[in-house]
Amino acid sequence: SAVISQKPSRDICQRGTSLTIQCQVDSQVTMMFWYRQQPGQSLTLIATANQGSEATYESGFVIDKFPISRPNLTFSTLTVSNMSPEDSSIYLCSVTLGEDHEQYFGPGTRLTVT
Amino acid sequence: AQKITQTQPGMFVQEKEAVTLDCTYDTSDQSYGLFWYKQPSSGEMIFLIYQGSYDEQNATEGRYSLNFQKARKSANLVISASQLGDSAMYFCAMREDFNKFYFGSGTKLNVKP
Repeated sequence: SAVISQKPSRDICQRGTSLTIQCQVDSQVTMMFWYRQQPGQSLTLIATANQGSEATYESGFVIDKFPISRPNLTFSTLTVSNMSPEDSSIYLCSVTLGEDHEQYFGPGTRLTVT
Repeated sequence: AQKITQTQPGMFVQEKEAVTLDCTYDTSDQSYGLFWYKQPSSGEMIFLIYQGSYDEQNATEGRYSLNFQKARKSANLVISASQLGDSAMYFCAMREDFNKFYFGSGTKLNVKP
């Protein structure tokens, strides 16, 4: 498995501001994933981040709203820009490891937008 | 069609009893992986168990076992000897290709003392 940390663990933000979430892994990984989980819902993939290339966004998510950085093989950031109350969610980063491509998650960032 | 279907939004089980959480999947791939995750109220997603499509034996991890019925495309999670700490949301997920993951809608398990 992997040890994955996220910062911040939670935040309360004002409408119109931006928040950057950090994800750190204790081993080098090729791909990192960012998910959103709205209240009472399942996980929705926002984007996949490879080191050294632009992130690949899923339908309904755009780079201007959710810019992602992946400067090295152990770190990534997700920014939630120009926030609205609809962005209130848990944001989770994840990685895949091993020949079975098992997916492991960070502890999540619980965001509330007021 | 839904890739992962979890038909039980909520389940109750008595402490120390076993419980089965249902999961069916839809794929035309020959090679895929099936996962179960536990999400307590804290929000973290905890990996529980993995079953590969080519694995002939059901996966087991401690009190967790995965009842894999390939022909029926089902991958039910069995929790034996339920504990109060097992109360959480449980998500079934499937991996296709190397990195395409699909998640079910989840089952909320409540363990009663």
